[in-house]
Amino acid sequence: DQQVKQNSPSLSVQEGRISILNCDYTNSMFDYFLWYKKYPAEGPTFLISISSIKDKNEDGRFTVFLNKSAKHLSLHIVPSQPGDSAVYFCAASDYGGSQGNLIFGKGTKLSVKP
Amino acid sequence: EAQVTQNPRYLITVTGKKLTVTCSQNMNHEYMSWYRQDPGLGLRQIYYSMNVEVTDKGDVPEGYKVSRKEKRNFPLILESPSPNQTSLYFCASSFRGSPLHFGNGTRLTVT
Repeated sequence: DQQVKQNSPSLSVQEGRISILNCDYTNSMFDYFLWYKKYPAEGPTFLISISSIKDKNEDGRFTVFLNKSAKHLSLHIVPSQPGDSAVYFCAASDYGGSQGNLIFGKGTKLSVKP
Repeated sequence: EAQVTQNPRYLITVTGKKLTVTCSQNMNHEYMSWYRQDPGLGLRQIYYSMNVEVTDKGDVPEGYKVSRKEKRNFPLILESPSPNQTSLYFCASSFRGSPLHFGNGTRLTVT
């Protein structure tokens, strides 16, 4: 059973507009959530994270929102840029961030068109 | 430069021929992990290690072995590779509680 779900395999957005990537999880024990970005031929790179004690974390153009009651998180990118085109993975852990077992979603491929 | 180094980057082998993919990190991280990425399945954890001589199974450990004799190295061993192990493999490391740093991947093809 998939514990972390990214239901949109792909998303296309115009440059300058907002990109919203969604992630749902089923395990209520998850207490730390992360987003990773992956370019072709490279490993994933960490983008932004959020602890379950918060509902929002912002870093420049990137904001992650967490809705614990809905077991849902989203990544907002504003404004979107062509260099943001990549695959985005949502990940979750239930070890207070110790990442004993970090569970990843299947990824969403974002295309930002000039 | 802080990095996770995997070797080789590409490997083509035949069924049953033992192979090892090496992983080394220069950041003194306690935690290391192996993932495989397959189309439509995302990243799935194979094995992880919380520290030297401490390893645990992830979600898809069958057909793989690991060892952690030194802090910096975490090799992935396929004793008898099969075609269903054709995949893109990533090694990662971190301090406990910090985000993972990933290597650039090893693309393995088993014929």
